[in-house]
Amino acid sequence: AQSVTQPDIHITVSEGASLELRCNYSYGATPYLFWYVQSPGQGLQLLLKYFSGDTLVQGIKGFEAEFKRSQSSFNLRKPSVHWSDAAEYFCAFTGGGNKLTFGTGTQLKVEL
Amino acid sequence: NAGVTQTPKFQVLKTGQSMTLQCAQDMNHEYMSWYRQDPGMGLRLIHYSVGAGITDQGEVPNGYNVSRSTTEDFPLRLLSAAPSQTSVYFCASSFSSGTGAPNEQFFGPGTRLTVL
Repeated sequence: AQSVTQPDIHITVSEGASLELRCNYSYGATPYLFWYVQSPGQGLQLLLKYFSGDTLVQGIKGFEAEFKRSQSSFNLRKPSVHWSDAAEYFCAFTGGGNKLTFGTGTQLKVEL
Repeated sequence: NAGVTQTPKFQVLKTGQSMTLQCAQDMNHEYMSWYRQDPGMGLRLIHYSVGAGITDQGEVPNGYNVSRSTTEDFPLRLLSAAPSQTSVYFCASSFSSGTGAPNEQFFGPGTRLTVL
């Protein structure tokens, strides 16, 4: 079955520390991959996406993600977390078209 | 340019009541969709539309109806609300992509629905 898994429900990091949020997918071909962020009480905002080409993609707010076909992963990273990054993060994918399948989300807490 | 708007922001219903969640976009997007968000389950697709007059079911369509009479509006109807429909509902829109590379979806701020 096609699916996307976010193994970490909650993550806490100190402000200024590095961050990595994990995302694994199950799909028979190369999927189109996304990371979204949801701030409290808000809708979702697209951070970055991977369609093809360079496996390291840059997004907004200083985030980046790396597509690793051998590991079926698309982990999100940030070198130095800011308190304003506290939010819920969703990985999503599609095999084509606009119908997205979302992961269950990772709640990020930032300690000052 | 308001983007994707949703009304109401909050709603409390009693079991068996009906209501319509409104969604509108002013970006001339062909594709619109409804998701529900439940704790620990992420977002799940309820219904979607690829253009006016065309709708289809997503992953969790039971208990919900949709129609698309205009490009701008995509209302979601609950005919007989149940406690299991307590959730946060998000509407999203994007340009149509067919079966190829997807387009960025823009999300509304959500409607928090409680069914007692």
